[in-house]
Amino acid sequence: EIVMTQSPATLSVSPGERATLSCRASQSVGSNLAWYQQKPGQAPRLLIYGASTRATGLPARFSGSGSGTDFILTISSLQSEDFAVYYCQQYDNWPPGTFGQGTKLEIK
Amino acid sequence: VQLLESGGGLVQPGGSLRLSCAASGLTFRSYAMSWVRQAPGKGLEWVSGISDSGGTTYYADSVRGRFTISRDNSKNTLYLQMNSLRAEDTALYYCVKDRKVYQTWGQGTLVTVSS
Repeated sequence: EIVMTQSPATLSVSPGERATLSCRASQSVGSNLAWYQQKPGQAPRLLIYGASTRATGLPARFSGSGSGTDFILTISSLQSEDFAVYYCQQYDNWPPGTFGQGTKLEIK
Repeated sequence: VQLLESGGGLVQPGGSLRLSCAASGLTFRSYAMSWVRQAPGKGLEWVSGISDSGGTTYYADSVRGRFTISRDNSKNTLYLQMNSLRAEDTALYYCVKDRKVYQTWGQGTLVTVSS
């Protein structure tokens, strides 16, 4: 089973600044990597799939990059609604599609 | 597209529950479906998946042999039969559309396994 490791566990950023979240796979997953956002009391929301393709309706301030084992989610100018927990998920070696443990993005 | 789970509740260790997920706004029979769970305050864990026809099923090692996924395409409904429940199965169970990338999620149904 592929292990996904996200860093940092918590990221404190001020509104308007850039946030960079990392995800590393224990072995190559190609570009079969998705990112999800989860707000308190809500179901997760798909943001990015194929490592860099934005889901329908996702603002352009969200971007994904990387391939193989190292991936980045960048939020270029943080809005108040962006503070949430973010999960990466590999679906290359499926089943199972394994998730990272999450990065909490909090307001600085 | 809407996915509406039901069937969660409090059950004793060793007990059983059957979760349901009613789908609307999509051609249900055309999509693979999955269950993903989230223990309280924890991350996400894929549990099980099923092909569009229901002919192929997949399970996480942690639930194989205890859980059974199924679907009724005539009723646009996905099921998860959970037997021999353990305390570590306590979680919010989400019904999700598709097999690998989850664009649509239900609101979840809470399963609590406790004596």
